[in-house]
Amino acid sequence: KQEVTQIPAALSVPEGENLVLNCSFTDSAIYNLQWFRQDPGKGLTSLLLIQSSQREQTSGRLNASLDKSSGRSTLYIAASQPGDSATYLCAVWGGTYKYIFGTGTRLKVLA
Amino acid sequence: EAGVAQSPRYKIIEKRQSVAFWCNPISGHATLYWYQQILGQGPKLLIQFQNNGVVDDSQLPKDRFSAERLKGVDSTLKIQPAKLEDSAVYLCASSPGTREAFFGQGTRLTVV
Repeated sequence: KQEVTQIPAALSVPEGENLVLNCSFTDSAIYNLQWFRQDPGKGLTSLLLIQSSQREQTSGRLNASLDKSSGRSTLYIAASQPGDSATYLCAVWGGTYKYIFGTGTRLKVLA
Repeated sequence: EAGVAQSPRYKIIEKRQSVAFWCNPISGHATLYWYQQILGQGPKLLIQFQNNGVVDDSQLPKDRFSAERLKGVDSTLKIQPAKLEDSAVYLCASSPGTREAFFGQGTRLTVV
């Protein structure tokens, strides 16, 4: 059974810092891994999707890497801003055509 | 392209009452998902439809939850009777059959 874990559960940093969010999964037989952002009480906004054959994806100040063999992914946020404050979720897409989500990292960037 | 539409956005009900949520997926998407997200947790899959058939409902509390997708397009999720622990955000997502899904804004349910 696939399990997805995110560390840390919460993070508070001053504006301008570079930071790393971690995601680990127990079953390496995945098709892709996706990072989402969720603002309080809202739906999910897709940030980056990494196919199983890829090692990383980049979008603006965001970079996500994937190491299937070790069951790990990291989301790197450069030069953090108060507007980055949100919950970040990772999800893996397995062989049964559905997402399994982690519990999220709640990020607060202080001005 | 219009996204996944959900309604209502917010709902407050008393315990033991019933409630229904509606989802209209992206046009042409055969797969539709309902997720439950309790505060502080990641979304948990409740039910997955392929067209109008159920693919996976193993985590749906069938004694009180039901869902249908009669014409293979929009879907309704119902809770009857509601319990306090059903307070959550209910997310609908759809997929065209590729390994990526698109999420709606969710319905926040508060049971008092």
